[in-house]
Amino acid sequence: GNSVTQMEGPVTLSEEAFLTINCTYTATGYPSLFWYVQYPGEGLQLLLKATKADDKGSNKGFEATYRKETTSFHLEKGSVQVSDSAVYFCALRTGANSKLTFGKGITLSVRP
Amino acid sequence: EAGVVQSPRYKIIEKKQPVAFWCNPISGHNTLYWYRQNLGQGPELLIRYENEEAVDDSQLPKDRFSAERLKGVDSTLKIQPAELGDSAVYLCASSLGLADQETQYFGPGTRLLVL
Repeated sequence: GNSVTQMEGPVTLSEEAFLTINCTYTATGYPSLFWYVQYPGEGLQLLLKATKADDKGSNKGFEATYRKETTSFHLEKGSVQVSDSAVYFCALRTGANSKLTFGKGITLSVRP
Repeated sequence: EAGVVQSPRYKIIEKKQPVAFWCNPISGHNTLYWYRQNLGQGPELLIRYENEEAVDDSQLPKDRFSAERLKGVDSTLKIQPAELGDSAVYLCASSLGLADQETQYFGPGTRLLVL
């Protein structure tokens, strides 16, 4: 079956530090890959996505590249801000009718 | 544009009591999802609706959970009777339809605590 593995958290960084959050997956077929973010007190929001190998999703300074050879979709940002403090979820979907499968999520705290 | 609305935001009940959650999706969204998110875990799909039809309810514990989406708009998820293990956040999401299933818009969730 499908599964998503995220690195263990939480992660605490200073403002302007470089961020990498690891995500690897196991899937049948060719999944689409997603990063969702959940800010305190709010619902999950789509941050970025990639639908085929070597695609790069980007949004709000975050980037992730779909690496089929390593089955990975790591999230990166060059300079984090306090406002990036949130819970980040990696997810995948295979086929037009299938459900989203999420990782456990990781909490990011950015201190001034 | 209003987002997905859920109520209540928080609910505390004693075990064996019934509980219901309500969701109003984004206007025009035909597909509606209910997810359950246990503490420290990612969301897991319970049921998906296309308009008023439940098209994927394989993960819904049917002995105690039920859901409906009358008229293909609002939806209600019910648990009767609730058990201690049902304590979780219940998320509702919606999307335009199958073709746009990738982008699911989530509500803030209902946090349920069963004592």
